[in-house]
Amino acid sequence: EVQLVESGGGLVKPGGSLRLSCAASAFTFANAWMHWVRQAPGKGLEWVGRIKSETDGGTTDYSAPVKGRFTISRDASKNTLSLQMNSLKTEDTAVYYCATEIAGWFDSWGQGTLVTVSS
Amino acid sequence: EIVLTQSPATLSLSPGERATLSCRASQSVRTYLAWYQQKPGQAPRLLIYDASNRATGIPARFSGSGSGTDFTLTISSLEPEDFAVYYCQQRSDWFTFGQGTRLEIK
Repeated sequence: EVQLVESGGGLVKPGGSLRLSCAASAFTFANAWMHWVRQAPGKGLEWVGRIKSETDGGTTDYSAPVKGRFTISRDASKNTLSLQMNSLKTEDTAVYYCATEIAGWFDSWGQGTLVTVSS
Repeated sequence: EIVLTQSPATLSLSPGERATLSCRASQSVRTYLAWYQQKPGQAPRLLIYDASNRATGIPARFSGSGSGTDFTLTISSLEPEDFAVYYCQQRSDWFTFGQGTRLEIK
């Protein structure tokens, strides 16, 4: 069974940085297109960005609100997905989920990690 | 950006009843639409993809229909575990989600 485990969440001040990780297991991580999706407290789901598989170039795409501030990367040797978040804003407060993509759909999800941006 | 509008915001029904949830897109997404279920404190779970295909392990009481701009998720006979929040999502133009429909016990 696919397993995704996020970590790295916490409290950070506005303007600060945080790095989230997602440990993947039980599937061929190198071949997977991976995403980050977030959910503000009591709100709906919002796509953050994705990284293609290494065989498909490993390129990244981001939503408008995070473009230029967030960076997604992957380490195939460690089966780990990362999200580097810089210049954080209060509106970035959310639970951040990593998810696998199958043909454009979010097939498997981690349990999420909470990021709180507050002074 | 394609906006997905779900209705109703909240649906109150009893176990055994039929649930009909709607999702309308601001422009055509063809059949590039999925439905997810989310229970409190849990991650979303993929139910339906490509508008009408059930994901692996999803019970037959869940069905999806529609194309273009209007889509429906139907739960034929509600089980106690079906009370949750449901989101639609499109992949025609990047990825966006609807605001959700809360299905609550009447």
